[in-house]
Amino acid sequence: QVTLKESGPVLVKPTETLTLTCTVSGFSLNNAKMGVSWIRQPPGKALEWLAHTFSNDDKSYGTSLENRLTISKDTSKSQVVLIMTDMAPVDTATYFCARMISRFSSDWYDYWGQGIVVTVSS
Amino acid sequence: DIQMTQSPPSLSASVGDRVFITCRASQSINNYVNWYQQKPGKAPKVLIYSASSLESGVPSRFRGSGSGTEFTLIIQNLQPEDSATYYCQQSYSAPWTFGQGTRVEIK
Repeated sequence: QVTLKESGPVLVKPTETLTLTCTVSGFSLNNAKMGVSWIRQPPGKALEWLAHTFSNDDKSYGTSLENRLTISKDTSKSQVVLIMTDMAPVDTATYFCARMISRFSSDWYDYWGQGIVVTVSS
Repeated sequence: DIQMTQSPPSLSASVGDRVFITCRASQSINNYVNWYQQKPGKAPKVLIYSASSLESGVPSRFRGSGSGTEFTLIIQNLQPEDSATYYCQQSYSAPWTFGQGTRVEIK
């Protein structure tokens, strides 16, 4: 059974650094057909793609936040970590991790975590 | 980055109606489009991948079409449980961007 679960602080102060962890089960982060992304959603707004880690440890970042984000993975712990620096109130959102699967020459998100609501406030 | 423009932003339709949601890509992306359904307080759920392939377990009233830059999600015989927000997403090249969403309301 595939599961993903986000964990981390639910409240951070402006200018602080946010560290979120996605713990996965039911698949390996080394599987060449799979990768994990972080996606966020401000209250009442659309999904925003943040970052992705591939099985070969390559990484990709969303353009608008690229200089504030770092994604990494620990295969032995089955965890993917997202670090976002210099948090501001506009970063208040639900943060999801999701598994991207590669099949039939295409890629899509087939499993998602439940999301973690992060509020940025002093 | 590839921009995905969805329309309409919202729609209201009756049970049994057929509804169309369109997604336009800022460049040709072949058939690398996926469609997701999101209900309030929940994570998105994939409905269609690769523009027209139905994910396992998804009702057949959901259908996807299109290629290149124009894509459509069609919901036939709209049901009360289809009330949700729908997002397109391109998987042609990273960053894998989403559309702005279409909220579907049942009259």
